[in-house]
Amino acid sequence: EPEVTQTPSHQVTQMGQEVILRCVPISNHLYFYWYRQILGQKVEFLVSFYNNEISEKSEIFDDQFSVERPDGSNFTLKIRSTKLEDSAMYFCASSGATTEAFFGQGTRLTVV
Amino acid sequence: GQNIDQPTEMTATEGAIVQINCTYQTSGFNGLFWYQQHAGEAPTFLSYNVLDGLEEKGRFSSFLSRSKGYSYLLLKELQMKDSASYLCAVRADSNYQLIWGAGTKLIIKP
Repeated sequence: EPEVTQTPSHQVTQMGQEVILRCVPISNHLYFYWYRQILGQKVEFLVSFYNNEISEKSEIFDDQFSVERPDGSNFTLKIRSTKLEDSAMYFCASSGATTEAFFGQGTRLTVV
Repeated sequence: GQNIDQPTEMTATEGAIVQINCTYQTSGFNGLFWYQQHAGEAPTFLSYNVLDGLEEKGRFSSFLSRSKGYSYLLLKELQMKDSASYLCAVRADSNYQLIWGAGTKLIIKP
């Protein structure tokens, strides 16, 4: 069964450092998303991506965040200068035009 | 604003039936999803409703009333493995962003 894969599963970084979280969406999907979930809190939408551009982003997705689809398979989330409050589980998801979103297993980001 | 409300926590007994409610107030409506999330894991899709009525899928059913801004997830013949958080999410507009409720933590007791 096709699945969304994310790497790494856990990333520890120092405050102020840049991190890149990687995702391989399901191959025939058209819409890609990043969500985050701070421990014990609800899932929060960050950004959606369609046709090689951002289609929507939340207030959380400020200038410190960027997304890229550098090739036909990968979808990345970059945080330029991490803050302690960026510590969370980051989920990548993808969907077809009319299907539900399928989630990857997440990357746990810990900023120290 | 956009708002989705669910009970924070519910407790039920193994073998019983439980109903988890979700109410929403959103700028538009283009479908409601239920996801299951075990602690430390990704949400997994359970059901999708876009028209009023009941969708049944094995032990799980989901109901939608668009006029009332209301949905419920019904779990029958509860098993211990059903202990998880259940997330209600709404696709508000013609775009594909999902707006999420905070989730209902379901605790199953023997």
